[in-house]
Amino acid sequence: AQKITQTQPGMFVQEKEAVTLDCTYDTSDQSYGLFWYKQPSSGEMIFLIYQGSYDEQNATEGRYSLNFQKARKSANLVISASQLGDSAMYFCAMREAPGNTPLVFGKGTRLSVIA
Amino acid sequence: ETGVTQSPTHLIKTRGQQVTLRCSSQSGHNTVSWYQQALGQGPQFIFQYYREEENGRGNFPPRFSGLQFPNYSSELNVNALELDDSALYLCASRASGLASNEQFFGPGTRLTVL
Repeated sequence: AQKITQTQPGMFVQEKEAVTLDCTYDTSDQSYGLFWYKQPSSGEMIFLIYQGSYDEQNATEGRYSLNFQKARKSANLVISASQLGDSAMYFCAMREAPGNTPLVFGKGTRLSVIA
Repeated sequence: ETGVTQSPTHLIKTRGQQVTLRCSSQSGHNTVSWYQQALGQGPQFIFQYYREEENGRGNFPPRFSGLQFPNYSSELNVNALELDDSALYLCASRASGLASNEQFFGPGTRLTVL
């Protein structure tokens, strides 16, 4: 069964606008971590933001925020004030029972920012 | 503080050959994981090393093997290459023992199998 689902293969956003990238997850663990990574065409996976399952506040990092809805098992990434350099693939990932378990990734969403 | 580095950046091999990919972990990180990312897909976990021992493995055949060295650098070896092994291979490092949200990836090695 798919553990991480990203339903938007591609998204377009106007420069300076906000955009939400969707991510839903599936786990029976109570303790888990959710991650978002950005992957430009160069290939490197750039860590953006992290949300722990017990964190009561939504995580924020600069222009990135994570809209965490635990009951719905969703962890959407919100990018405010989009910039041309935000054009990239975005991956949602989960680590169950934080420790030495691996990251499980979704298939990604390609974001294109239009001037 | 140096980040995760990988070598080579690109590699072309033919079917049946063997390949070794290298990764230097970020300073202070003792856990290294390898992921395979096929075109248009998310990364898939291959295996993980902690203190020179493999301590987790994904659904990959035994011809995918690895090593971790005392300085925490790592190698991924693939024997008997197949066309489907063409992918971006990503190495990631982190410090274990924390409820760590820090897992940093290297720039990847693009392997093409002809």
